[in-house]
Amino acid sequence: KAGVTQTPRYLIKTRGQQVTLSCSPISGHRSVSWYQQTPGQGLQFLFEYFSETQRNKGNFPGRFSGRQFSNSRSEMNVSTLELGDSALYLCASSFEQLSYNEQFFGPGTRLTVL
Amino acid sequence: DQQVKQNSPSLSVQEGRISILNCDYTNSMFDYFLWYKKYPAEGPTFLISISSIKDKNEDGRFTVFLNKSAKHLSLHIVPSQPGDSAVYFCAASATNQGGKLIFGQGTELSVKP
Repeated sequence: KAGVTQTPRYLIKTRGQQVTLSCSPISGHRSVSWYQQTPGQGLQFLFEYFSETQRNKGNFPGRFSGRQFSNSRSEMNVSTLELGDSALYLCASSFEQLSYNEQFFGPGTRLTVL
Repeated sequence: DQQVKQNSPSLSVQEGRISILNCDYTNSMFDYFLWYKKYPAEGPTFLISISSIKDKNEDGRFTVFLNKSAKHLSLHIVPSQPGDSAVYFCAASATNQGGKLIFGQGTELSVKP
């Protein structure tokens, strides 16, 4: 069974631009969560999608948004990029939207904002 | 407001000895705890978990202990192997929060041969 895939793996953007990251969950998984990892803040929860609906949201500004498609694939978008958005963005999938469901992480997208 | 804390950024252990990684939390609503392992350039990999109704869960060389009164959990690795060298993240979740995980800052474990 293929794991969680994320594209692109690396991305370089400049301040003010916008970016879209993609995540394909494990086949059959319906819940997709996004996390931001930075050296100073560790892994921080961005949002969770289940059945095309955002079910949970972390403490990030409205510049961060996402969506989920009917095939459970998910995208996240960051508009008006800032230098502080440079981070590793991780996507995780699980079968259900339940706290005790194991989440499987993708390799991440490394975003650098210049 | 760091709800999950791993106060040791790094830990060095000799091969064959025990590694003990610690984690503290502040939110009493957390009822499920997980440990993830992360190698560079890879996403975190699930290691072991424990529900708040238990105080211990074991899986091979890995054991997680939960002390609810102290809001503290620990991961024991016995015996430690060089391949265990990685960053270990403690995470917590609450039933009413779906799949939302709150992570600690991570502890980098180095197991020396």
